[in-house]
Amino acid sequence: AQKITQTQPGMFVQEKEAVTLDCTYDTSDQSYGLFWYKQPSSGEMIFLIYQGSYDEQNATEGRYSLNFQKARKSANLVISASQLGDSAMYFCAMREGFSGGSNYKLTFGKGTLLTVNP
Amino acid sequence: EADIYQTPRYLVIGTGKKITLECSQTMGHDKMYWYQQDPGMELHLIHYSYGVNSTEKGDLSSESTVSRIRTEHFPLTLESARPSHTSQYLCASSEGGILKETQYFGPGTRLLVL
Repeated sequence: AQKITQTQPGMFVQEKEAVTLDCTYDTSDQSYGLFWYKQPSSGEMIFLIYQGSYDEQNATEGRYSLNFQKARKSANLVISASQLGDSAMYFCAMREGFSGGSNYKLTFGKGTLLTVNP
Repeated sequence: EADIYQTPRYLVIGTGKKITLECSQTMGHDKMYWYQQDPGMELHLIHYSYGVNSTEKGDLSSESTVSRIRTEHFPLTLESARPSHTSQYLCASSEGGILKETQYFGPGTRLLVL
C-alpha cells in the first residue's frame, strides 16, 4: 500500500488565486512528521513546510500553510496568492516514528505538477 | 539552511563506463542520503549514511555503491553504467535526530547512459 498518496497528477491555478494540493498518508505510528517539498524544472528539492503529528496548530510558512486533518490522515498544502514562480512539482513526504524502524528516512508521494497561469 | 553541492550537474556517458557522482555538504551534517528520481516521478531512497564509515542500502535496490570516509563527502559510484541507470540522482543531508529533522537537497545530477 502507498504510504503517501497524491491524487492530483496536475493542477492549474490563476495567478493570485489560492490552490490546495492534496496529500493523504498511511501509518500506524502515533508519532510522525509530514513535509512538503517544491521541485522546479531545474531539479532541486526545496523544503517548504513541516507538520508534526502532535502539533495542535496547522503549520504556516509565509504563503504556505498545511491543512492537517489527523483523523482523515490528510496533510494538504495550501498556497495563497499564487505566483508564476510557484509553477513546479510539489511532493508530500512522511517520516514515521522510530518505533517503525524507519528512523530518519523520508517516504515521498508521486507529486503534483502545479501550473500557475498569468 | 544547508549548503550541499553535487557534481556533475549533467553527465552523458557510454555503457560500461565507471562513474562517480560527487556530493558534498558544508554544514557538518551527520546524515546523508542518495535518492534516484525518474522524470516526473517520486524519489526513491537508494543509499543513506548516519555518519563516517556508516552506509546502508535504501528502499530501492541499486547497483551503485557509496562510501563515507569524511563527514562532508558522500560519493556514489557505478562500476559499469547501463542505460537503465539513466535518471536523476539527488543527494541530501540532515542533522538532529528528531522527527522534524529536515533533509536539505543538492541540485541533482542528471545522468544519461547511452
